[in-house]
Amino acid sequence: GAVVSQHPSRVICKSGTSVKIECRSLDFQATTMFWYRQFPKQSLMLMATSNEGSKATYEQGVEKDKFLINHASLTLSTLTVTSAHPEDSSFYICSAPDSWERNNEQFFGPGTRLTVL
Amino acid sequence: AQKITQTQPGMFVQEKEAVTLDCTYDTSDQSYGLFWYKQPSSGEMIFLIYQGSYDEQNATEGRYSLNFQKARKSANLVISASQLGDSAMYFCAMREVNTGNQFYFGTGTSLTVIP
Repeated sequence: GAVVSQHPSRVICKSGTSVKIECRSLDFQATTMFWYRQFPKQSLMLMATSNEGSKATYEQGVEKDKFLINHASLTLSTLTVTSAHPEDSSFYICSAPDSWERNNEQFFGPGTRLTVL
Repeated sequence: AQKITQTQPGMFVQEKEAVTLDCTYDTSDQSYGLFWYKQPSSGEMIFLIYQGSYDEQNATEGRYSLNFQKARKSANLVISASQLGDSAMYFCAMREVNTGNQFYFGTGTSLTVIP
């Protein structure tokens, strides 16, 4: 199957700093990528849809100015958590659909565990 | 309303036995896809099985099978011959054609396989 990578896998930062998380589709092009947030023992919550060449679409309740998304190319989307606070500590996962002709599967990155001190 | 409902927060199964994880969904679309993912403690989401709304036969992938009952809007995952490595969180998800590629996830079921 298609491969999606995320970097970094883990990050620990001080409160008030910004953290950038990269999501790359390694062997296919993704005009759309999705960013999810997952708290311990909870489900994945869709934060935003990243669209190549246009602005991201944010889900209700997600602060656009805090979670900046840039879909720089057909293989790269970045999520920047600005002025991070301890409550932003979470597991962030990106995903990308490969193509409509397949079984419509989404391919997930391995996730980034963010800890804000 | 919840798009995907998983009513079993936790399940236990004896090694080598079969287990069924429940999933019901809510949609008014005719065209949709149903997925099951496994998430071990490492956090990665592992695709297990897919069922399209127009598929007449239940999907099977090795030890995984999906019991698709369209009229009841249920898509239960059956794991046969459970192994210790099957212990993980399991998420049911749905994608509706009309909402693009967005996935709706259930709350998950934590499966523990007992030796």
